[in-house]
Amino acid sequence: NAGVTQTPKFQVLKTGQSMTLQCAQDMNHNSMYWYRQDPGMGLRLIYYSASEGTTDKGEVPNGYNVSRLNKREFSLRLESAAPSQTSVYFCASSGLQETQYFGPGTRLLVL
Amino acid sequence: GESVGLHLPTLSVQEGDNSIINCAYSNSASDYFIWYKQESGKGPQFIIDIRSNMDKRQGQRVTVLLNKTVKHLSLQIAATQPGDSAVYFCAENMGSPGSYIPTFGRGTSLIVHP
Repeated sequence: NAGVTQTPKFQVLKTGQSMTLQCAQDMNHNSMYWYRQDPGMGLRLIYYSASEGTTDKGEVPNGYNVSRLNKREFSLRLESAAPSQTSVYFCASSGLQETQYFGPGTRLLVL
Repeated sequence: GESVGLHLPTLSVQEGDNSIINCAYSNSASDYFIWYKQESGKGPQFIIDIRSNMDKRQGQRVTVLLNKTVKHLSLQIAATQPGDSAVYFCAENMGSPGSYIPTFGRGTSLIVHP
């Protein structure tokens, strides 16, 4: 099992550009999450999906959209990137045991 | 809103010592707590968890203690090794089983000197 995978690993964008971060899990988990992590900070929840077909806002949803494409995949879209969105983005999933399993992260730089 | 916090942002220990990382949480309704380890350049990794109906839980070289009276959580690492050097996060979970939403603390950086 690969666990949680994320693509791309690194990305540089110019202000105003758009991009989609991809996440997939092969553990048959119902819940999936997107977080951002800034230097010296903990993880802040952007959006989550408790099950296929549902999505909800987290603590910092502004500037982002998500799509739960199917049970395996949960994507995060930046429609018009801003320098404040420079961060490391983590996707996670959890099943009945509630423990979250994290992907390796996507490092995004917005110039 | 309420959030999870950590008392010590950096903890330096000698190899072989025991380490204790502390965490204060604010929401008395939180009923599930998790400790994660994050190595440089990687995603957080589950270490150990505890539910609010327990005071203590032990794993391999790690122990989590929960004091609900003062809303305090601690992670004890026995015989700390250089490979334990990482940032450690606690997370409190609110909601109901199957729909927990975690809140993470800022993290404590553990540095183990050989």
